Amino acid sequence: DIQMTQSPPSLSASLGDKVTITCQASQNINKYIAWYQQKPGKAPGLLIHYTSTLVSGIPSRFSGSGSGRDYSFSISNVESEDIASYYCLQYDNSPWTFGGGTKLELK
Amino acid sequence: EVQLVESGGGLVQPGRSLKFSCAASGFTFSDYAMAWVRQAPKKGLEWVATIIYDGSSTYYRDSVKGRFTISRDNAKSTLYLQMDSLRSEDTATYYCARQSYVDWYFDFWGPGTMVTVSS
Repeated sequence: DIQMTQSPPSLSASLGDKVTITCQASQNINKYIAWYQQKPGKAPGLLIHYTSTLVSGIPSRFSGSGSGRDYSFSISNVESEDIASYYCLQYDNSPWTFGGGTKLELK
Repeated sequence: EVQLVESGGGLVQPGRSLKFSCAASGFTFSDYAMAWVRQAPKKGLEWVATIIYDGSSTYYRDSVKGRFTISRDNAKSTLYLQMDSLRSEDTATYYCARQSYVDWYFDFWGPGTMVTVSS
């Protein structure tokens, strides 16, 4: 199974900050990584797939990059509505595996 | 608009069975692979099972193989999960998710149904 190591587990930011979350795969995942946002009590929502492809309707302050084993997800100009948990997912191989999550809080 | 709505969760004793469903609408259900993803309380996301568009192939995580069965009824646009020999570690919110047409990431999710395994 491919392990996804996501960091940091938690992140504290001020409004307007840029934050970055990383995911490292245990092997090359060929850019097949997606990023999800989950607010308390809600289902996850897809933000980005194939490393950097933004889902329609998602603000451009969200972005992703990476290749091989190493990937990152950034939010520029953090807004209050961005306070949530974020997860990466590798879909290069079954079983599909998620990172452990990053909880973004306001400083 | 894509909609996925789970139903049938609840409290069940260890060793017992439970079956719940996910009603899909807003897309051609029979064109897509579908999955169940779970999340234990205060924990991360964990893929459970996938069924391809016509039901002819299924995939499971190791910890549920032989205990859980994913199935679908394309005529009813409904996905199912039959869970047998339930364990306390199966306690979680179970989400129904559509897998994208080409690459099979999870592109739409239902709101989830809670399953609690406890005596």
